[in-house]
Amino acid sequence: GESVGLHLPTLSVQEGDNSIINCAYSNSASDYFIWYKQESGKGPQFIIDIRSNMDKRQGQRVTVLLNKTVKHLSLQIAATQPGDSAVYFCAENIGANYGQNFVFGPGTRLSVLP
Amino acid sequence: DAGITQSPRYKITETGRQVTLMCHQTWSHSYMFWYRQDLGHGLRLIYYSAAADITDKGEVPDGYVVSRSKTENFPLTLESATRSQTSVYFCASRAGLESDEQFFGPGTRLTVL
Repeated sequence: GESVGLHLPTLSVQEGDNSIINCAYSNSASDYFIWYKQESGKGPQFIIDIRSNMDKRQGQRVTVLLNKTVKHLSLQIAATQPGDSAVYFCAENIGANYGQNFVFGPGTRLSVLP
Repeated sequence: DAGITQSPRYKITETGRQVTLMCHQTWSHSYMFWYRQDLGHGLRLIYYSAAADITDKGEVPDGYVVSRSKTENFPLTLESATRSQTSVYFCASRAGLESDEQFFGPGTRLTVL
């Protein structure tokens, strides 16, 4: 399959622990953010999103936190499982056309240790 | 097959040749996108389309051509491939501006020799 990146930042966590993946975004005017998960050989998969009028949003085992002051986004995964091993990257919407102009971060590789 | 598919999954070509990457979605989504993914750059938008016969440039459109004669298909053509176009290409679709989720295809790995 396609390799996403051999030299990405890597986060290694023990199975069952919580994971925190960080993302710094570039545009203070960005109003919409998405976290994606990409497994080896597959396309990116939507995990969770957040709009700029929110600071926190929770999904199933995942939480996204948005700090607009420092332009920082984080993804928290609770009770990390082996199936969570993948590359995770954030995307910010910077365009006037809502949702059409996303800028994607390079990603972080999450490795879950048994 | 339901969903969004891309073909071919792998392609090797030579500099100067024309290459077309296919993308097909079965949801009748209005919006479709082409991205390339390279080490250190993340996903970069090449072209997108808001509907049939409506296309627009993204961040890195040079060297690429798209068309959208039918809602379900969004082919990407490299008119004269260059080595710098070696990449993994992803197609994506989205129901509309009111819909948040963007669905990606499995990708095409293109190598230009």
